[in-house]
Amino acid sequence: NAGVTQTPKFQVLKTGQSMTLQCAQDMNHEYMSWYRQDPGMGLRLIHYSVGAGITDQGEVPNGYNVSRSTTEDFPLRLLSAAPSQTSVYFCASSPLSDSGNTIYFGEGSWLTVV
Amino acid sequence: EDQVTQSPEALRLQEGESSSLNCSYTVSGLRGLFWYRQDPGKGPEFLFTLYSAGEEKEKERLKATLTKKESFLHITAPKPEDSATYLCAVQWAGTSYGKLTFGQGTILTVHP
Repeated sequence: NAGVTQTPKFQVLKTGQSMTLQCAQDMNHEYMSWYRQDPGMGLRLIHYSVGAGITDQGEVPNGYNVSRSTTEDFPLRLLSAAPSQTSVYFCASSPLSDSGNTIYFGEGSWLTVV
Repeated sequence: EDQVTQSPEALRLQEGESSSLNCSYTVSGLRGLFWYRQDPGKGPEFLFTLYSAGEEKEKERLKATLTKKESFLHITAPKPEDSATYLCAVQWAGTSYGKLTFGQGTILTVHP
């Protein structure tokens, strides 16, 4: 079982460059989200989606775009990378059948902006 | 403001030495409280979800409990392989489904 798959694992960007972090899940989950994890700050929600064609902002959305054209995929786009976006990014998914369902996380994408 | 606070920040135990981790939250309506384990370089791994005060769940050497303002993760006779960062997260009532607020985590080190 693949679960939640993120690519790339590691990426170095120059300030101002753009890139897309890919996230795919094979569990037919309606809900998908992106978090970033920074030392001393815990995981913070960037964007989330409750189904194809539906996205919404989380706690720290500035500088990031998302789209959800299929149930399986939820890419995160950095429009113009800044050093403040150096972080570890995690994609997560869960079913929407009821509250409190298990939320599954990917293995993470380490991004450095220089 | 809704907050989740974990303590201690770091905990060092000898193998077999039982202890507890704490997760406290400000009360504005709780839909669910999650515990995750995170190993270095890995994503969070789901452990438990608790929904209401008085609820308890167990898995091997771990037991999670919930009151109206905090949750405890009890570790009984820990082994070195229990070393990891333990994360607590809260899903608030009235928020969009799946939105979690995480604490900063407790780094647990178990020495043989």
